[in-house]
Amino acid sequence: GAGVSQSPRYKVAKRGQDVALRCDPISGHVSLFWYQQALGQGPEFLTYFQNEAQLDKSGLPSDRFFAERPEGSVSTLKIQRTQQEDSAVYLCASSLDRQGGYTFGSGTRLTVV
Amino acid sequence: DQQVKQNSPSLSVQEGRISILNCDYTNSMFDYFLWYKKYPAEGPTFLISISSIKDKNEDGRFTVFLNKSAKHLSLHIVPSQPGDSAVYFCAASDGSGNQFYFGTGTSLTVIP
Repeated sequence: GAGVSQSPRYKVAKRGQDVALRCDPISGHVSLFWYQQALGQGPEFLTYFQNEAQLDKSGLPSDRFFAERPEGSVSTLKIQRTQQEDSAVYLCASSLDRQGGYTFGSGTRLTVV
Repeated sequence: DQQVKQNSPSLSVQEGRISILNCDYTNSMFDYFLWYKKYPAEGPTFLISISSIKDKNEDGRFTVFLNKSAKHLSLHIVPSQPGDSAVYFCAASDGSGNQFYFGTGTSLTVIP
């Protein structure tokens, strides 16, 4: 597609519920990133894929967070047993190379109640 | 531990004047820097980049300056336009390319 597409745009989850957030990167972009942006903060790195390989997951805050990209295109970020502190905007980005920067999606705003 | 800092949360500038947004970083291994612009309810949009081998990069009304010794970069917008009103984030990478570290953003308002 023309840009990075994320769904859903908004998600309200009850505490303890599992959620799955989807990212459709730009076709041909081998690198895919997930970032978490809390209110009033800049985006913070969660994890990075090159094709289907998850090369860096150092930013995932706990083992409740899991990301996959099984065929090297669409990626899913899953959060198990959501907590209130998980409330944030989750941004997905893809890129061809570092020089071009990332192209971000519009994000998924997760609210845990 | 914030490695990239934007100490001004907001800035107001008159239309037609220069906007200067500042960013400081602590990690001397950072070698690539980006500026992003973000409108409400949208993801950040890439604006301009600079590599540590340069001290200036220009793209139309936007110029980024890098002072490596001071670990400081700035974004200049000349002339400022009302459509430039947005939140601006600076970001830095250390060469592995795996992640960028973002500042907390500066909200720019350009007054018509």
